[in-house]
Amino acid sequence: DAKTTQPTSMDCAEGRAANLPCNHSTISGNEYVYWYRQIHSQGPQYIIHGLKNNETNEMASLIITEDRKSSTLILPHATLRDTAVYYCIGLGFNKFYFGSGTKLNVKP
Amino acid sequence: DVKVTQSSRYLVKRTGEKVFLECVQDMDHENMFWYRQDPGLGLRLIYFSYDVKMKEKGDIPEGYSVSREKKERFSLILESASTNQTSMYLCASRGRTNTEAFFGQGTRLTVV
Repeated sequence: DAKTTQPTSMDCAEGRAANLPCNHSTISGNEYVYWYRQIHSQGPQYIIHGLKNNETNEMASLIITEDRKSSTLILPHATLRDTAVYYCIGLGFNKFYFGSGTKLNVKP
Repeated sequence: DVKVTQSSRYLVKRTGEKVFLECVQDMDHENMFWYRQDPGLGLRLIYFSYDVKMKEKGDIPEGYSVSREKKERFSLILESASTNQTSMYLCASRGRTNTEAFFGQGTRLTVV
């Protein structure tokens, strides 16, 4: 399972893009990168996942480097409701391992 | 809308009690997971199940057991609750490989 490294916290102004980085240098070739977020006292919420191509959905975009050693989650127009802990995780065969994540603070 | 439902949002139990935490999913998923979440320690995997009656230990199975008699239901059992099992417990389910997992809303268990 890939070990992931994320900054402990980040700030973002409301309405601006939030770019959350993740290093996953040990990721294997067939291992997807998943992003989740957790708002205080709730269960983690799925955001997006990808293997090697960039992905976009209604919530966010995911940019994966060509060597797959890092990725960036982009929230294009952050709102106060996006304040949460964001987890980048590498997926094992049947297990999800969560690290400490990045606390994103969206400020007015 | 996909659903993973945990039986209780908040629970208070006494030391030594046998505690059952129930989780039900309506997505016909093969894989189900139990995590606990503690400040500073992140989410830690307790047990997971990849099929009915099948289970595997995660990283911290001591003091816990699980039951999966039906595909949609995965139960976590604290055989004799202790104060160090006070935590947020999260259930998740997932279908085939390389699909996302869905989490329940969590059960905050306090053992007194």
